Amino acid sequence: QQQVKQSPQSLIVQKGGISIINCAYENTAFDYFPWYQQFPGKGPALLIAIRPDVSEKKEGRFTISFNKSAKQFSLHIMDSQPGDSATYFCAASDKIIFGKGTRLHILP
Amino acid sequence: NAGVTQTPKFQVLKTGQSMTLQCAQDMNHEYMSWYRQDPGMGLRLIHYSVGAGITDQGEVPNGYNVSRSTTEDFPLRLLSAAPSQTSVYFCASSRTGLEQYFGPGTRLTVT
Repeated sequence: QQQVKQSPQSLIVQKGGISIINCAYENTAFDYFPWYQQFPGKGPALLIAIRPDVSEKKEGRFTISFNKSAKQFSLHIMDSQPGDSATYFCAASDKIIFGKGTRLHILP
Repeated sequence: NAGVTQTPKFQVLKTGQSMTLQCAQDMNHEYMSWYRQDPGMGLRLIHYSVGAGITDQGEVPNGYNVSRSTTEDFPLRLLSAAPSQTSVYFCASSRTGLEQYFGPGTRLTVT
């Protein structure tokens, strides 16, 4: 039973464009929603996280948008760069349940 | 600080063999976890610990054993390796149970 659904599985974006990855969760008790970034051959690293008491959090080019009523949250990468090419995982609290990941490729 | 370290980096086992994947952290984190990563499956929680002497099962615990005798170490034991356990294994630690710091992973192949 997957409690965090992530889409798309893969995404190709032109350099300078906006990358958008979406996640949906089921359990309304979840209260922490992080995004992790993983480069090939490395472990995931925390990128940005949000609590459900705010609708948006921005850190540099990375923004989380959170919709509590829809039980959805998304990662926006503004001005996407080739160095952003990686796999991105959304997650939710309660022993940290991960989505299946999105492989992002930024075209130079 | 070394952060979270894992050994070995790579391992090949024959079906039925046992082995221990080592994980250590030097951040004095109470929470430690083991995940496996398979293509298209994301990261799935195997076992976790909220402190020395306390462990619990995650989503996919069968075939794995853990113990936590110290804050620093959290080894994962494969009791009798099976081809289905071929995967990349990540250990993670956290001060609060939320922000997780991952190790570099162990790539395990079972033939």
